[in-house]
Amino acid sequence: AQKVTQAQTEISVVEKEDVTLDCVYETRDTTYYLFWYKQPPSGELVFLIRRNSFDEQNEISGRYSWNFQKSTSSFNFTITASQVVDSAVYFCALIPHRGSTLGRLYFGRGTQLTVWP
Amino acid sequence: GAGVSQTPSNKVTEKGKYVELRCDPISGHTALYWYRQSLGQGPEFLIYFQGTGAADDSGLPNDRFFAVRPEGSVSTLKIQRTERGDSAVYLCASSNSGLAGSDTQYFGPGTRLTVL
Repeated sequence: AQKVTQAQTEISVVEKEDVTLDCVYETRDTTYYLFWYKQPPSGELVFLIRRNSFDEQNEISGRYSWNFQKSTSSFNFTITASQVVDSAVYFCALIPHRGSTLGRLYFGRGTQLTVWP
Repeated sequence: GAGVSQTPSNKVTEKGKYVELRCDPISGHTALYWYRQSLGQGPEFLIYFQGTGAADDSGLPNDRFFAVRPEGSVSTLKIQRTERGDSAVYLCASSNSGLAGSDTQYFGPGTRLTVL
C-alpha cells in the first residue's frame, strides 16, 4: 500500500524564521517519485519539486531545500528565512512506479503554514 | 503558455441533480487526471486518461461518476444524482505523457462543487 504522512497539521512562524515541513512515505516499490506542491489560498496546486527514488542528493532552490533520506523514508522540505507569501498549505505526494497505479499521485493531508509579519 | 483551465469555478446544485465539470489541459499534454479534494484533506485520485482512453478509473467512488475525453484533449467529469457528500473541490491535472508515471502533473484551479 502507498501512504504519505504529514504529521504536522499546522505550523506558525514569524517572518524570517526557518521552518521544516516533514513528510514520511510508505511504499513497497523500489522505484518511485516524490513531489511537493504548494496550495495558496487561491486554491491552485503549484508544483515545487520532483525527485526519483534513486537520487538522494539534497536539493536547494533559492530559499527552499529538500532533504531526501531513503533510510527513514522521509522527504522533508525546509524554507529558509520565511516570508508572509510562503503562507499556504503544502502537500507531499508519491507516485509508485508500478503498472496498475502509474500516474496516480498519493497525497498526504497537507501542512498549513502560516507566516506572520 | 496557458495552464490547465477548469470551468465552472463554482457550481451549486441541488441534491439529485446532474452536473458536468470541464477541464482543458495544457496544450500537447496527452495525460489528464481528475482528483477530488475535501476540506482539510489532500487530493484523492479519481481517474487518469492517456489520450482518449481511461487508463485507470479505479478511483471513481461509484457508478454515479463518469468521465470522458473524446478527442484526447478536453475532459468532462459527469456526476449523476448528486449527493451532499459529493461536495468538494474537483481538481484536474495534466502531464506531458504520463507513460513514465513520473511526469510532473500540473493542476488547474479546481471547481468547487456544493450540493445543497
